[in-house]
Amino acid sequence: AQSVAQPEDQVNVAEGNPLTVKCTYSVSGNPYLFWYVQYPNRGLQFLLKYITGDNLVKGSYGFEAEFNKSQTSFHLKKPSALVSDSALYFCAVRPTSGGSYIPTFGRGTSLIVHP
Amino acid sequence: SQTIHQWPATLVQPVGSPLSLECTVEGTSNPNLYWYRQAAGRGLQLLFYSVGIGQISSEVPQNLSASRPQDRQFILSSKKLLLSDSGFYLCAWSLGANSYNSPLHFGNGTRLTVT
Repeated sequence: AQSVAQPEDQVNVAEGNPLTVKCTYSVSGNPYLFWYVQYPNRGLQFLLKYITGDNLVKGSYGFEAEFNKSQTSFHLKKPSALVSDSALYFCAVRPTSGGSYIPTFGRGTSLIVHP
Repeated sequence: SQTIHQWPATLVQPVGSPLSLECTVEGTSNPNLYWYRQAAGRGLQLLFYSVGIGQISSEVPQNLSASRPQDRQFILSSKKLLLSDSGFYLCAWSLGANSYNSPLHFGNGTRLTVT
């Protein structure tokens, strides 16, 4: 069975500082990994995904994520946070083959960027 | 480009009344379709998913049902709503045919309040 852990319910960061939102996963075989962002009263928006190749993946709005196979992690990062980045962030995993094609989502991390 | 439409945006219904939420996708064929419920602005609960017309899989037994009468139409229904059915309902689609690396694309959700 596949699983995703987002160990922090909330992350607080000052505007202009770097931010990290953590995600670890468990899946049989190799993973496809995804990050989504959700603003209040809206659906989730896809930010970026890891399929294969370069461990550093760049996505929308200046976000990037680093895949670490040995630590089974896929942390979301941004060099300089904006107040408008404040939102709920979800990590998700799918196996590359076999198993369930249904993605497994983490419980979400609330990012609060202070002015 | 592909788009997903979900309506209504908000709904207030009395206990015991019926429910029908509709979701349509444009610009793609044979998508996988999903209904999620999100309680208290946090974790996602998968309710139903579908890989084709008339093919519905239920993840959680409850008084809700889903139907897919057309390739790009997904409907969530209930004959009698319960207070516990209140929540934020999200429809999503992804590429079908075992496209494990396809992200999910979400609608803007329906906020359902059962009174």
